[in-house]
Amino acid sequence: KAGVTQTPRYLIKTRGQQVTLSCSPISGHRSVSWYQQTPGQGLQFLFEYFSETQRNKGNFPGRFSGRQFSNSRSEMNVSTLELGDSALYLCASSLRGGEDTQYFGPGTRLTVL
Amino acid sequence: QKEVEQNSGPLSVPEGAIASLNCTYSDRVSQSFFWYRQYSGKSPELIMSIYSNGDKEDGRFTAQLNKASQYVSLLIRDSQPSDSATYLCAVPGGSYIPTFGRGTSLIVHP
Repeated sequence: KAGVTQTPRYLIKTRGQQVTLSCSPISGHRSVSWYQQTPGQGLQFLFEYFSETQRNKGNFPGRFSGRQFSNSRSEMNVSTLELGDSALYLCASSLRGGEDTQYFGPGTRLTVL
Repeated sequence: QKEVEQNSGPLSVPEGAIASLNCTYSDRVSQSFFWYRQYSGKSPELIMSIYSNGDKEDGRFTAQLNKASQYVSLLIRDSQPSDSATYLCAVPGGSYIPTFGRGTSLIVHP
């Protein structure tokens, strides 16, 4: 069974630009969660989608948004990039979310210059 | 506010020793607990999950859960240099917002 895939793997953007990251979950998984990981803050929860609906959102500004498609694939968008948005963005999928085991993708390394 | 606490380390152990990693949590609703390993520059990979009080063994790894005291630990027997990584404790809790600890850095030296 194929794992979670994320594209692109690396991105370099400049301040003020916007970026879209993509995540394809494990087949059959309907829950997709997004995380931001930085050395200073650790793994921070962004949001979780289940059946095309955002079920929960972490404590991030509105510049961070996401969506999920009918095939469970998910995208997240960051608008008006700031230097502090430089991070590893991780996507994780699980069957139903909640207490289910999450499996992580390889991540997208975003650098904002 | 759920909290998951881990000692950031680094925890340094010699090859062949037992490494003991600990995690405490504040959310009493949590029924499942997870340990992930993350190598530098890589994404977290699941090592073990545990749901019931007591010990769960998988190869060289043993997870221990004590819900009354709200802690979960991970023991790595016969530690190898390849075990050197950051170990993350994750507690989903009753909501759909999982909380991860900041991780413990483990260094296994030859």
